[in-house]
Amino acid sequence: NAGVTQTPKFQVLKTGQSMTLQCAQDMNHNSMYWYRQDPGMGLRLIYYSASEGTTDKGEVPNGYNVSRLNKREFSLRLESAAPSQTSVYFCASSGWGTGWTGELFFGEGSRLTVL
Amino acid sequence: AQTVTQSQPEMSVQEAETVTLSCTYDTSESNYYLFWYKQPPSRQMILVIRQEAYKQQNATENRFSVNFQKAAKSFSLKISDSQLGDTAMYFCAFMKLNNNDMRFGAGTRLTVKP
Repeated sequence: NAGVTQTPKFQVLKTGQSMTLQCAQDMNHNSMYWYRQDPGMGLRLIYYSASEGTTDKGEVPNGYNVSRLNKREFSLRLESAAPSQTSVYFCASSGWGTGWTGELFFGEGSRLTVL
Repeated sequence: AQTVTQSQPEMSVQEAETVTLSCTYDTSESNYYLFWYKQPPSRQMILVIRQEAYKQQNATENRFSVNFQKAAKSFSLKISDSQLGDTAMYFCAFMKLNNNDMRFGAGTRLTVKP
């Protein structure tokens, strides 16, 4: 039972490089999210996708782009990485299932370091 | 915008004792959900407990219970009979009804001591 799968789990980039974080869920959830976690700041929402074909900005979208490729997959792209984007990134999903509970199901996180 | 405040960056408790983690939030909404998530050293975020704002009864899940004070906008988590496996970061979170923007507090690092 995979749940939410993120790749890669670790990545080191140089300033200005680009990369894409991949996320896939197998729970047939409609909504998917990207958060970043920084010490002392909890989790902050970068982008979310309420349903296939839609994406919306969250609290800290600058420097990121997203693609909802299909219902299962939601990717996060850094076009020109900056040291301020050093963080742990979490993908999450939520759905109705037997009734809307609001619960988010998280991946294991991806640690990104930008030098 | 909704904000969530956890005023205790770190706490510790002896095994088998009870500990309470605090959370306050700010919102003008009347219908919403509140959550406590646990993040052990493995980094995996796990839901501990949730509360619907329209329910007056406090949620409980085995050793975990909440004290939800809607007027005071307070949502504390009580862990009874603490176990070593409860050592983790705990995040309080808020979500408006049928909304996709879940807001988290900064977290409380709980250590359970043997």
